[in-house]
Amino acid sequence: AQSVTQLGSHVSVSEGALVLLRCNYSSSVPPYLFWYVQYPNQGLQLLLKYTSAATLVKGINGFEAEFKKSETSFHLTKPSAHMSDSAEYLCAVSEYNFNKFYFGSGTKLNVKP
Amino acid sequence: DAGVTQSPTHLIKTRGQQVTLRCSPISGHKSVSWYQQVLGQGPQFIFQYYEKEERGRGNFPDRFSARQFPNYSSELNVNALLLGDSALYLCASSYRGRNNEKLFFGSGTQLSVL
Repeated sequence: AQSVTQLGSHVSVSEGALVLLRCNYSSSVPPYLFWYVQYPNQGLQLLLKYTSAATLVKGINGFEAEFKKSETSFHLTKPSAHMSDSAEYLCAVSEYNFNKFYFGSGTKLNVKP
Repeated sequence: DAGVTQSPTHLIKTRGQQVTLRCSPISGHKSVSWYQQVLGQGPQFIFQYYEKEERGRGNFPDRFSARQFPNYSSELNVNALLLGDSALYLCASSYRGRNNEKLFFGSGTQLSVL
């Protein structure tokens, strides 16, 4: 079975600072990888997805992620944090052949003024 | 267009009771998946349905069951509720349920078991 590890359950940055949220996966085949954001009392919203077309993936709200096969990583970054970025971020990998998603445990991002 | 809709939004039950959660996918989507999200954890896969057929089942007991209707809406049933079933239950839809498709999630049903 596949698994996803998100290092750091809570990350706190100042407004304008770099955001780096870490995600490592285990997969025996080339994976499809996703980052979702979850605001309180809301469902998950897709930020970006990697499907082998390009290793650097740009998403919504200025976020991007880089797929590194040698490190089995798919870290999420944003050059300059906004207060509105405060939310929970979930990394996921989908099962081969159909979209059963394995989610990490999530990272709560707190952006301080 | 309406997104994925789930009902009810909140539910309180007692141990041993049964509960039914409902989900309507985005129009045109034929695949529905159910996830359980316990506080402080990521969502855990429960079921996936495509064209009314079960395509995948997660590591959940037989107390959990689901079905998909001809209009692609879905129900998740949980029997003999336990305190540990308290969680946010998320429904997600996609067009064909393939692994390169993104999932569109509803806002969830918050189930509390007392």
